[in-house]
Amino acid sequence: DAGVTQSPTHLIKTRGQHVTLRCSPISGHKSVSWYQQVLGQGPQFIFQYYEKEERGRGNFPDRFSARQFPNYSSELNVNALLLGDSALYLCASSSRDYWDEQFFGPGTRLTVL
Amino acid sequence: RKEVEQDPGPFNVPEGATVAFNCTYSNSASQSFFWYRQDCRKEPKLLMSVYSSGNEDGRFTAQLNRASQYISLLIRDSKLSDSATYLCVVSKYSSASKIIFGSGTRLSIRP
Repeated sequence: DAGVTQSPTHLIKTRGQHVTLRCSPISGHKSVSWYQQVLGQGPQFIFQYYEKEERGRGNFPDRFSARQFPNYSSELNVNALLLGDSALYLCASSSRDYWDEQFFGPGTRLTVL
Repeated sequence: RKEVEQDPGPFNVPEGATVAFNCTYSNSASQSFFWYRQDCRKEPKLLMSVYSSGNEDGRFTAQLNRASQYISLLIRDSKLSDSATYLCVVSKYSSASKIIFGSGTRLSIRP
């Protein structure tokens, strides 16, 4: 079975641009969460979606938004990119709406110049 | 003060040694606790959930102390393959679901 997939794997943008990151959860998983990880730190929670509804949101500005589609895939959008948005963006899926084992994708490495 | 704090290490121990990590959390309403393992340039993977009664999985033992608000991970008979960063994870599920990862503890096992 395929694990969590994310696209693209790498991305280079300039300040002020917009970016869309995509995630496909494990088949049968209805929960998708997004994280930002900078070097030397643990993943920081951005959003959790379950059954297409937002269930949780971390301390990120409104420039960050996300949505989940009927097939449970998800997109993370970041507007007006800043240099500080450079990070690894991880998507994780799980089968339940509460916090249980999460399966992470390989991530999208975003570089903002 | 960080909501979840871990000793960043690195812990450098010989193969076969026993090593223990602690992680403290500040929110007494936290409900679920986990240890994840992250290898260099890889995604995190669940090592084990942490239950109030404590739990063991082979060479790994996890404990939760709600009164003192910390969780621990003990690795016995460490192997070279245990070298990784260990992330402590604390979560709360409610109308505003939240999950917090610690910054991780780096472990290096030497031959």
